[in-house]
Amino acid sequence: EPEVTQTPSHQVTQMGQEVILRCVPISNHLYFYWYRQILGQKVEFLVSFYNNEISEKSEIFDDQFSVERPDGSNFTLKIRSTKLEDSAMYFCASTWGGLAGELFFGEGSRLTVL
Amino acid sequence: KNEVEQSPQNLTAQEGEFITINCSYSVGISALHWLQQHPGGGIVSLFMLSSGKKKHGRLIATINIQEKHSSLHITASHPRDSAVYICALNSGGSNYKLTFGKGTLLTVNP
Repeated sequence: EPEVTQTPSHQVTQMGQEVILRCVPISNHLYFYWYRQILGQKVEFLVSFYNNEISEKSEIFDDQFSVERPDGSNFTLKIRSTKLEDSAMYFCASTWGGLAGELFFGEGSRLTVL
Repeated sequence: KNEVEQSPQNLTAQEGEFITINCSYSVGISALHWLQQHPGGGIVSLFMLSSGKKKHGRLIATINIQEKHSSLHITASHPRDSAVYICALNSGGSNYKLTFGKGTLLTVNP
């Protein structure tokens, strides 16, 4: 079965450092998403990406965050200067056709900011 | 802003029991999703509903658009069903900008 893969599974970083979380969506998918879940809280939408540009973003997704699809397979989330409150599980997801397709999630990348 | 309320927050059942998890929301939606979050954290999409009822194996999901309410049922529950079940809403738009509920922690004992 096709799957979304995320790396790293866990990253520990110091406050103020840059972090890049990587995702390999399912190969024929066209829509890509990042969500996050702070420990013990709800999952939250961060950003959606289609046709090489952001299609929608939440108020959480401020100037410290950026997304990129640098090649035909990877989809990355960069946090420029991490804060303690960025500690969370970050989930990548993809679908082939917007709301017409099933949403597939990766296993998540746990980010711990010290 | 669409508020999502799930009940119960925690549910413990014996193997074989029929399980119901409820989700209510406050504003009209274009679709409602039921998701399963494994103990390790990974998320799997179970159903996407905009009306009526869907069934997959032992799982059944229903939605009542007028009452702004959805239920997820598990028949003949099994310990491997133990997980967090999350209701998530799409209130419009062309993509998965979802609003998530807090989840229901289900534990099925053998």
